[in-house]
Amino acid sequence: SAVISQKPSRDICQRGTSLTIQCQVDSQVTMMFWYRQQPGQSLTLIATANQGSEATYESGFVIDKFPISRPNLTFSTLTVSNMSPEDSSIYLCSARQGGGYEQYFGPGTRLTVT
Amino acid sequence: GQQLNQSPQSMFIQEGEDVSMNCTSSSIFNTWLWYKQEPGEGPVLLIALYKAGELTSNGRLTAQFGITRKDSFLNISASIPSDVGIYFCAGQLSFGNTPLVFGKGTRLSVIA
Repeated sequence: SAVISQKPSRDICQRGTSLTIQCQVDSQVTMMFWYRQQPGQSLTLIATANQGSEATYESGFVIDKFPISRPNLTFSTLTVSNMSPEDSSIYLCSARQGGGYEQYFGPGTRLTVT
Repeated sequence: GQQLNQSPQSMFIQEGEDVSMNCTSSSIFNTWLWYKQEPGEGPVLLIALYKAGELTSNGRLTAQFGITRKDSFLNISASIPSDVGIYFCAGQLSFGNTPLVFGKGTRLSVIA
């Protein structure tokens, strides 16, 4: 299994500012993902973080708003840029070794934008 | 995009009862995963299934990969208060580097 940590665990931010969320995995993994989740709702995939290349974004999510870095096989960051109250959500980092393998989640970052 | 139909949406049960929930799809999946999420936490992987017909247990939890590869169910036997949470099914369409597709979740409440 993989143990995933995220920083910060929660934050309250002003409209128009940006927040970078860090994700650290305790072992090297092939794939890392970023999800968004409204409380009590299902998970929505933002993007797949690709090591050494640009992230692959899902429909409705763009790089200018959610820039992602993945400098190595254990670490990734997600930035929520120019935030508005609609960005208030839980952001989850996830990782797996590859196709057909178990996928694990971090504890989430609870973001409130005022 | 692909969707998983998860039911029931919510359940209220008495402690000690058995619970059953399922996920169905119109597409064939190669992997089924079941997660539990408690308030303030990330989803925790409960069971992973990789073969059609596979039946796997994890303590009081049992999950099966449907023979048609279009469905999966999760059973919880003799429920206890700490079983409370939201249970999500997730499937992977292929063994490549494709993202998981998630169901909308089943919210379980256990009455002591």
